[in-house]
Amino acid sequence: AQRVTQPEKLLSVFKGAPVELKCNYSYSGSPELFWYVQYSRQRLQLLLRHISRESIKGFTADLNKGETSFHLKKPFAQEEDSAMYYCALSAPDNYGQNFVFGPGTRLSVLP
Amino acid sequence: KAGVTQTPRYLIKTRGQQVTLSCSPISGHRSVSWYQQTPGQGLQFLFEYFSETQRNKGNFPGRFSGRQFSNSRSEMNVSTLELGDSALYLCASSWTGGGANVLTFGAGSRLTVL
Repeated sequence: AQRVTQPEKLLSVFKGAPVELKCNYSYSGSPELFWYVQYSRQRLQLLLRHISRESIKGFTADLNKGETSFHLKKPFAQEEDSAMYYCALSAPDNYGQNFVFGPGTRLSVLP
Repeated sequence: KAGVTQTPRYLIKTRGQQVTLSCSPISGHRSVSWYQQTPGQGLQFLFEYFSETQRNKGNFPGRFSGRQFSNSRSEMNVSTLELGDSALYLCASSWTGGGANVLTFGAGSRLTVL
C-alpha cells in the first residue's frame, strides 16, 4: 500500500536560515511525487512536482528512490514561507487518481 | 478562468441527518476527487470521478457516496451523520485524473455535526 510520512509536525526556523522539510514514501513502483502548500486563509495549492524538476519560490525537491524520499529544501527561508506543507504521492499505474497525502508539516519562519 | 467552486462553504447539521456537498470543477477538467481534512487524520482520499464513473474509492464507510454529472460537476453525500464526520471536505479537479495530473483544490465545505 502507498504511504507518505512527514516526521515533523512543526518546524520553526529563523528568517534566512536553510529549511528542509522531510518526506518519505512507501510504494513498490515508480510514483509521482508532489509538494502542496496551504498558506493561511488560502486554498491548498501545488508547490512543485518531481517530474518538472523546477524551483518554485526558491524551493527544490529531489526524488531519491534509494532512500524513498522527496525532501523539500530552501537555502534561505522567508517569513512568507510560513505555511502548512503536504507531501503527496500518486501512483501513475493506478487506473484513475488516488493521491496519498502525508500528515503535513507546519513551517514557521521567525523574524 | 474560474477556479474550483464548492458549495456550501459552511454548514451545521445534527447527528443522523444527511448532507449533500457540491463541487464545480475548472472548465475542461473531467476528473473530480474528494478529500476529508481533519486535524487528527489530515487529508484522506474519499473518491474520484471521471466521466460520471467512480474510478477510485478510499477507505470510508458506505454512508459516504458521490456522483458526477455529464457537465463534470460532482456531489458528495453523507448519510446518517456522526459527530466524527465534522471536517473540511475538499474537492479537487484535474484534466484526466492520471497519476501525474496536478490537483486544483476548492476552498472546501466545512461541515460541523452537533
